[in-house]
Amino acid sequence: SQQGEEDPQALSIQEGENATMNCSYKTSINNLQWYRQNSGRGLVHLILIRSNEREKHSGRLRVTLDTSKKSSSLLITASRAADTASYFCATVGYSTLTFGKGTMLLVSP
Amino acid sequence: DVKVTQSSRYLVKRTGEKVFLECVQDMDHENMFWYRQDPGLGLRLIYFSYDVKMKEKGDIPEGYSVSREKKERFSLILESASTNQTSMYLCASSVRTGKGGLEAFFGQGTRLTVV
Repeated sequence: SQQGEEDPQALSIQEGENATMNCSYKTSINNLQWYRQNSGRGLVHLILIRSNEREKHSGRLRVTLDTSKKSSSLLITASRAADTASYFCATVGYSTLTFGKGTMLLVSP
Repeated sequence: DVKVTQSSRYLVKRTGEKVFLECVQDMDHENMFWYRQDPGLGLRLIYFSYDVKMKEKGDIPEGYSVSREKKERFSLILESASTNQTSMYLCASSVRTGKGGLEAFFGQGTRLTVV
């Protein structure tokens, strides 16, 4: 069963614009993570936010978490063509990670 | 850096063949996972292992089995490959990050085509 659902499924923007992706989940979590996947490759961990945190930053990434709404958002500021990839949220059970279906981001030069 | 290595990037097998997908991690992680990724379906967990010789079914274990004889190696076995098992297979290992957190490290994936 998939826990997280990303929204939108696809996003197309110009370089320099900000990109916002959302994730909703169903059950209580310990933490939520965001991963990135370049075309045809494995996933790379971007950022983790714990259930007692509301916001976290890492470089051009900003993640928020609203446990009351069971939702999270990933903001990429000043996007670059190299940010083109699929982005997944993942929720953590005791021993496993459950992924959503991902948002495909296209950043055009 | 953590390294998770999958033995093949691309694999073509015939229907009915027994297929082995190998995954090795070099960071002494206890947990290892096999996912498959399909368009429109995202990543789905097939099996995971939390220790040597231990395994747990994920969401879609049918048609698959796994083997974990050594801590660093986690193998996915397709007992009799079928065309609906054509997919991208992703292996991962994970480490606990404190207070119940997990961080996963993925291999590059194996794109399996069953003809």
